[in-house]
Amino acid sequence: ETGVTQSPTHLIKTRGQQVTLRCSSQSGHNTVSWYQQALGQGPQFIFQYYREEENGRGNFPPRFSGLQFPNYSSELNVNALELDDSALYLCASSRQGAYNSPLHFGNGTRLTVT
Amino acid sequence: DQQVKQNSPSLSVQEGRISILNCDYTNSMFDYFLWYKKYPAEGPTFLISISSIKDKNEDGRFTVFLNKSAKHLSLHIVPSQPGDSAVYFCAASAGTPLVFGKGTRLSVIA
Repeated sequence: ETGVTQSPTHLIKTRGQQVTLRCSSQSGHNTVSWYQQALGQGPQFIFQYYREEENGRGNFPPRFSGLQFPNYSSELNVNALELDDSALYLCASSRQGAYNSPLHFGNGTRLTVT
Repeated sequence: DQQVKQNSPSLSVQEGRISILNCDYTNSMFDYFLWYKKYPAEGPTFLISISSIKDKNEDGRFTVFLNKSAKHLSLHIVPSQPGDSAVYFCAASAGTPLVFGKGTRLSVIA
């Protein structure tokens, strides 16, 4: 069973630039969630995708956007990067559209904004 | 406003002893609770969960206890092993996305 994979593993961007992070969900999982983990904090929910539609969003501005593809893989896009966007971005997949099932996380993408 | 709180940033335990990690929550609507373990350079790994209709769930060396009246849950690891050294996150849900605590770093000393 293939787990959740994320790319790239590390990324350095300059303030104001745009970034795209990618995630392949675990085999058999149809729901993808994205989380941001700042240093010393727990993961914070950005949004979730189910059947290629956004299915819930956390307290993040519109410059954070996403996509889900027919094969359930997903992208997180962040426009107009700010220094505070520096964090570990985690993708998680699960088996159903409901929230009450364990999430399976990838190893994350470490984004540094300078 | 933190809905899920892990008040101990770190914990050190001797190998073979019990590790007890604590978590408090404020939202009485939470009905599903999970513990995740995270090693450096890896994503969080699901450990164990409990729904609000139970007060205990056990899986091998790991047991989670839920006290709804106190809005408190704990993770017991017995016996603790050096490989258990990691950051442990408590998470909760109310049919909504998971809300995570800030984590507790467990160090198991051989």
